Amino acid sequence: GAGVSQSPRYKVAKRGQDVALRCDPISGHVSLFWYQQALGQGPEFLTYFQNEAQLDKSGLPSDRFFAERPEGSVSTLKIQRTQQEDSAVYLCASSYGGTNEKLFFGSGTQLSVL
Amino acid sequence: GQQVMQIPQYQHVQEGEDFTTYCNSSTTLSNIQWYKQRPGGHPVFLIQLVKSGEVKKQKRLTFQFGEAKKNSSLHITATQTTDVGTYFCAGPKAGGTSYGKLTFGQGTILTVHP
Repeated sequence: GAGVSQSPRYKVAKRGQDVALRCDPISGHVSLFWYQQALGQGPEFLTYFQNEAQLDKSGLPSDRFFAERPEGSVSTLKIQRTQQEDSAVYLCASSYGGTNEKLFFGSGTQLSVL
Repeated sequence: GQQVMQIPQYQHVQEGEDFTTYCNSSTTLSNIQWYKQRPGGHPVFLIQLVKSGEVKKQKRLTFQFGEAKKNSSLHITATQTTDVGTYFCAGPKAGGTSYGKLTFGQGTILTVHP
Protein backbone atom coordinates (compact mmCIF):
# COMPACT_ATOMS: atom_id res chain seq x y z
CA GLY A 1 0.00 0.00 0.00
CA ALA A 2 0.91 3.64 -0.21
CA GLY A 3 1.28 4.13 3.52
CA VAL A 4 1.06 2.44 6.90
CA SER A 5 -2.45 1.17 7.47
CA GLN A 6 -3.96 0.63 10.91
CA SER A 7 -7.28 -0.84 11.94
CA PRO A 8 -9.62 -0.29 13.54
CA ARG A 9 -9.46 3.51 13.53
CA TYR A 10 -11.47 3.65 16.75
CA LYS A 11 -12.06 0.99 19.36
CA VAL A 12 -14.26 1.19 22.43
CA ALA A 13 -13.78 -1.57 24.97
CA LYS A 14 -15.30 -2.34 28.31
CA ARG A 15 -12.83 -2.66 31.14
CA GLY A 16 -11.56 -6.23 31.24
CA GLN A 17 -12.06 -6.95 27.54
CA ASP A 18 -9.24 -8.06 25.26
CA VAL A 19 -8.47 -5.98 22.15
CA ALA A 20 -6.35 -6.56 19.06
CA LEU A 21 -4.96 -3.70 16.97
CA ARG A 22 -3.65 -4.32 13.48
CA CYS A 23 -0.84 -2.64 11.56
CA ASP A 24 0.00 -3.16 7.90
CA PRO A 25 3.36 -1.47 7.22
CA ILE A 26 4.73 -0.11 3.99
CA SER A 27 5.81 -2.97 1.75
CA GLY A 28 9.50 -3.71 2.07
CA HIS A 29 9.95 -1.94 5.39
CA VAL A 30 12.08 -4.05 7.67
CA SER A 31 11.49 -2.17 10.91
CA LEU A 32 8.14 -1.84 12.64
CA PHE A 33 7.43 0.10 15.81
CA TRP A 34 4.48 0.53 18.12
CA TYR A 35 4.06 3.77 20.02
CA GLN A 36 1.44 4.91 22.51
CA GLN A 37 0.29 8.52 22.50
CA ALA A 38 -1.68 9.93 25.39
CA LEU A 39 -3.74 13.07 24.85
CA GLY A 40 -1.53 16.13 24.67
CA GLN A 41 1.70 14.15 24.85
CA GLY A 42 4.35 12.94 22.46
CA PRO A 43 4.39 9.31 21.35
CA GLU A 44 5.96 6.82 23.78
CA PHE A 45 7.87 3.80 22.46
CA LEU A 46 6.33 0.40 23.16
CA THR A 47 8.08 -2.22 21.05
CA TYR A 48 10.20 -2.80 17.93
CA PHE A 49 10.42 -5.54 15.30
CA GLN A 50 13.05 -6.19 12.72
CA ASN A 51 11.32 -8.43 10.21
CA GLU A 52 9.59 -11.08 12.37
CA ALA A 53 11.94 -10.74 15.33
CA GLN A 54 10.82 -8.66 18.28
CA LEU A 55 14.11 -7.07 19.26
CA ASP A 56 12.88 -4.69 21.92
CA LYS A 57 9.77 -4.76 24.06
CA SER A 58 11.08 -2.62 26.87
CA GLY A 59 8.32 -0.03 26.49
CA LEU A 60 5.38 -2.38 26.97
CA PRO A 61 3.73 -1.14 30.18
CA SER A 62 2.71 -4.54 31.55
CA ASP A 63 2.46 -8.22 30.69
CA ARG A 64 -1.07 -7.52 29.49
CA PHE A 65 0.47 -6.07 26.35
CA PHE A 66 1.67 -8.43 23.67
CA ALA A 67 2.81 -7.79 20.08
CA GLU A 68 3.63 -10.07 17.21
CA ARG A 69 4.71 -9.91 13.57
CA PRO A 70 4.80 -13.58 12.59
CA GLU A 71 5.65 -13.24 8.89
CA GLY A 72 7.63 -10.04 9.07
CA SER A 73 4.87 -7.91 7.59
CA VAL A 74 1.54 -7.32 9.37
CA SER A 75 1.76 -6.79 13.11
CA THR A 76 -0.82 -7.09 15.85
CA LEU A 77 -0.74 -5.40 19.24
CA LYS A 78 -2.91 -7.22 21.74
CA ILE A 79 -4.00 -5.85 25.08
CA GLN A 80 -5.54 -8.27 27.53
CA ARG A 81 -7.93 -7.33 30.31
CA THR A 82 -7.99 -3.68 29.29
CA GLN A 83 -7.88 -1.00 31.98
CA GLN A 84 -8.94 2.64 31.80
CA GLU A 85 -5.31 3.76 31.82
CA ASP A 86 -4.83 1.91 28.52
CA SER A 87 -6.97 4.55 26.79
CA ALA A 88 -4.73 6.27 24.25
CA VAL A 89 -3.90 6.41 20.57
CA TYR A 90 -1.76 3.48 19.48
CA LEU A 91 0.48 4.40 16.58
CA CYS A 92 2.31 2.00 14.34
CA ALA A 93 5.32 3.15 12.35
CA SER A 94 7.56 1.44 9.83
CA SER A 95 10.90 2.22 8.24
CA TYR A 96 13.56 0.77 5.97
CA GLY A 97 15.87 0.26 8.94
CA GLY A 98 19.48 1.21 9.41
CA THR A 99 20.96 4.38 10.81
CA ASN A 100 18.51 6.79 9.20
CA GLU A 101 15.29 5.64 10.76
CA LYS A 102 12.79 8.00 9.17
CA LEU A 103 9.53 6.72 10.59
CA PHE A 104 6.33 6.53 8.57
CA PHE A 105 3.39 6.56 10.97
CA GLY A 106 -0.06 5.15 10.44
CA SER A 107 -3.21 7.06 11.38
CA GLY A 108 -3.38 5.20 14.69
CA THR A 109 -6.07 3.38 16.62
CA GLN A 110 -7.83 5.44 19.26
CA LEU A 111 -8.64 3.10 22.12
CA SER A 112 -11.19 4.12 24.72
CA VAL A 113 -11.67 1.83 27.69
CA LEU A 114 -14.89 2.44 29.62
CA GLY B 1 16.33 8.29 32.10
CA GLN B 2 16.72 10.28 28.92
CA GLN B 3 14.43 13.29 28.72
CA VAL B 4 13.57 15.52 25.78
CA MET B 5 11.94 18.82 26.65
CA GLN B 6 10.34 21.32 24.30
CA ILE B 7 9.40 24.93 24.84
CA PRO B 8 7.05 26.61 24.51
CA GLN B 9 4.18 24.19 25.03
CA TYR B 10 1.80 26.48 23.13
CA GLN B 11 2.35 29.31 20.67
CA HIS B 12 -0.33 31.52 19.16
CA VAL B 13 0.73 33.75 16.29
CA GLN B 14 -0.86 35.97 13.70
CA GLU B 15 -0.46 34.81 10.15
CA GLY B 16 2.77 36.24 8.80
CA GLU B 17 4.59 36.25 12.14
CA ASP B 18 7.60 34.06 12.80
CA PHE B 19 7.60 31.04 15.12
CA THR B 20 10.35 29.16 16.93
CA THR B 21 10.27 26.04 19.07
CA TYR B 22 13.20 24.77 21.11
CA CYS B 23 14.16 21.24 22.01
CA ASN B 24 16.58 20.18 24.75
CA SER B 25 17.81 16.69 25.54
CA SER B 26 19.26 15.53 28.84
CA THR B 27 21.76 13.40 26.90
CA THR B 28 23.86 13.84 23.78
CA LEU B 29 22.00 12.65 20.70
CA SER B 30 23.36 10.83 17.67
CA ASN B 31 20.71 12.60 15.61
CA ILE B 32 17.49 14.49 16.05
CA GLN B 33 14.29 14.25 14.07
CA TRP B 34 11.38 16.64 13.76
CA TYR B 35 7.79 15.60 13.13
CA LYS B 36 4.58 17.55 12.52
CA GLN B 37 1.19 16.33 13.64
CA ARG B 38 -1.89 18.10 12.32
CA PRO B 39 -4.97 18.19 14.58
CA GLY B 40 -6.54 14.72 14.49
CA GLY B 41 -3.68 13.39 12.39
CA HIS B 42 -0.56 11.35 12.84
CA PRO B 43 3.09 12.44 13.11
CA VAL B 44 4.70 13.16 9.75
CA PHE B 45 8.47 13.20 9.39
CA LEU B 46 9.95 16.60 8.54
CA ILE B 47 13.70 16.24 8.80
CA GLN B 48 16.65 14.53 10.45
CA LEU B 49 19.79 16.35 11.61
CA VAL B 50 22.95 14.38 12.27
CA LYS B 51 25.97 16.67 12.44
CA SER B 52 26.98 19.00 15.25
CA GLY B 53 25.97 22.57 14.37
CA GLU B 54 24.00 21.43 11.32
CA VAL B 55 21.48 23.82 9.78
CA LYS B 56 18.93 22.71 7.20
CA LYS B 57 16.21 24.67 5.44
CA GLN B 58 12.97 23.56 3.90
CA LYS B 59 11.29 26.55 2.28
CA ARG B 60 10.14 28.68 5.26
CA LEU B 61 11.37 26.16 7.86
CA THR B 62 14.88 26.30 9.32
CA PHE B 63 16.19 23.51 11.55
CA GLN B 64 19.31 23.70 13.71
CA PHE B 65 21.20 21.09 15.69
CA GLY B 66 23.32 22.41 18.53
CA GLU B 67 27.10 22.14 18.71
CA ALA B 68 26.88 19.83 21.71
CA LYS B 69 24.16 17.76 19.98
CA LYS B 70 21.87 18.21 22.97
CA ASN B 71 19.56 20.88 21.63
CA SER B 72 17.76 21.80 18.47
CA SER B 73 15.37 24.40 17.15
CA LEU B 74 12.76 24.80 14.44
CA HIS B 75 12.05 28.27 13.07
CA ILE B 76 9.19 29.07 10.72
CA THR B 77 9.32 32.36 8.84
CA ALA B 78 6.09 34.14 7.97
CA THR B 79 3.67 31.53 9.28
CA GLN B 80 0.68 30.44 7.26
CA THR B 81 -2.55 28.78 8.39
CA THR B 82 -1.26 25.54 6.88
CA ASP B 83 1.50 25.53 9.53
CA VAL B 84 -1.04 24.78 12.28
CA GLY B 85 -0.26 21.64 14.25
CA THR B 86 1.98 20.16 16.91
CA TYR B 87 5.71 20.06 16.25
CA PHE B 88 7.68 17.29 17.95
CA CYS B 89 11.39 16.77 18.22
CA ALA B 90 12.64 13.25 18.87
CA GLY B 91 15.97 11.58 19.45
CA PRO B 92 17.11 7.96 19.62
CA LYS B 93 16.82 6.49 23.09
CA ALA B 94 20.15 6.09 24.85
CA GLY B 95 21.40 2.54 24.45
CA GLY B 96 18.57 1.81 22.06
CA THR B 97 18.32 -1.22 19.82
CA SER B 98 17.29 0.87 16.84
CA TYR B 99 17.57 4.43 15.63
CA GLY B 100 13.80 4.35 15.33
CA LYS B 101 13.38 3.81 19.07
CA LEU B 102 12.78 7.47 19.79
CA THR B 103 12.20 9.67 22.80
CA PHE B 104 9.76 12.38 21.80
CA GLY B 105 9.40 15.79 23.36
CA GLN B 106 5.94 16.79 24.52
CA GLY B 107 5.51 18.98 21.47
CA THR B 108 4.76 22.62 20.75
CA ILE B 109 1.21 23.34 19.64
CA LEU B 110 1.15 26.09 17.03
CA THR B 111 -2.01 28.06 16.34
CA VAL B 112 -2.04 30.57 13.50
CA HIS B 113 -4.71 33.26 13.43
CA PRO B 114 -5.60 34.55 9.96
